[in-house]
Amino acid sequence: EVQLVESGGGLVQPGGSLRLSCAASGFTFSSLWMSWVRQAPGKGLEWVANIKQDGGEKYYADSVKGRFTISRDNAKNSLYLQMNSLRAEDTAMYYCARDQAFTRDYWGRGTLVTVSS
Amino acid sequence: QSALTQPASVSGSPGQSITMSCIGTSRDVGGYNYVSWYQQFPGKAPKLMIYDVSNRPSGVSSRFSGSKSGNTASLTISGLQAEDEADYYCSSYSSGSTHWLFGGGTKLTVL
Repeated sequence: EVQLVESGGGLVQPGGSLRLSCAASGFTFSSLWMSWVRQAPGKGLEWVANIKQDGGEKYYADSVKGRFTISRDNAKNSLYLQMNSLRAEDTAMYYCARDQAFTRDYWGRGTLVTVSS
Repeated sequence: QSALTQPASVSGSPGQSITMSCIGTSRDVGGYNYVSWYQQFPGKAPKLMIYDVSNRPSGVSSRFSGSKSGNTASLTISGLQAEDEADYYCSSYSSGSTHWLFGGGTKLTVL
């Protein structure tokens, strides 16, 4: 059974940093691209970033480019999102998702990030 | 880069069919057959319902179908059931600087 479990969310002040983690199981993690997608409270979904199997290619939404960094550790079956220079508008539930060809076929339950003073 | 455009809400009665739209541009919906649809219940993670415009993942009811014409993708749910009441999001690959776009979501109400 595919499982994606996010962690690392919490309350952080504007300008602060946070690192999210996603533990994957039930599939060959190293063989698939992975994504982060977020959802602000009461709002729609927004793709944040994705990363190739070997970490050699990474892509970001314009809204987070230069502030967020996606990475992975295939030995630990883990995906990460380093978030710096956080803003109030980054407040959201952050989901880890498995990329299967040109879609996200499995999603975790999410971890909540709140940026507030 | 603008998100894809979805109606805020649609509604239908049990047993009826409904169709919701997802409007993009030639740089996303119209240019690629990489449109997906997701179902989301309050407080839950999204669930993939349709991928590559019209393909259903294993386990998804055949009542759900997808199509595309030009820059507009559509999700049709036939034989509407109370359990279908949820938010639905479309997504597409984009040749723009943000590679993956989502629509703003459509709230489906089963009357």
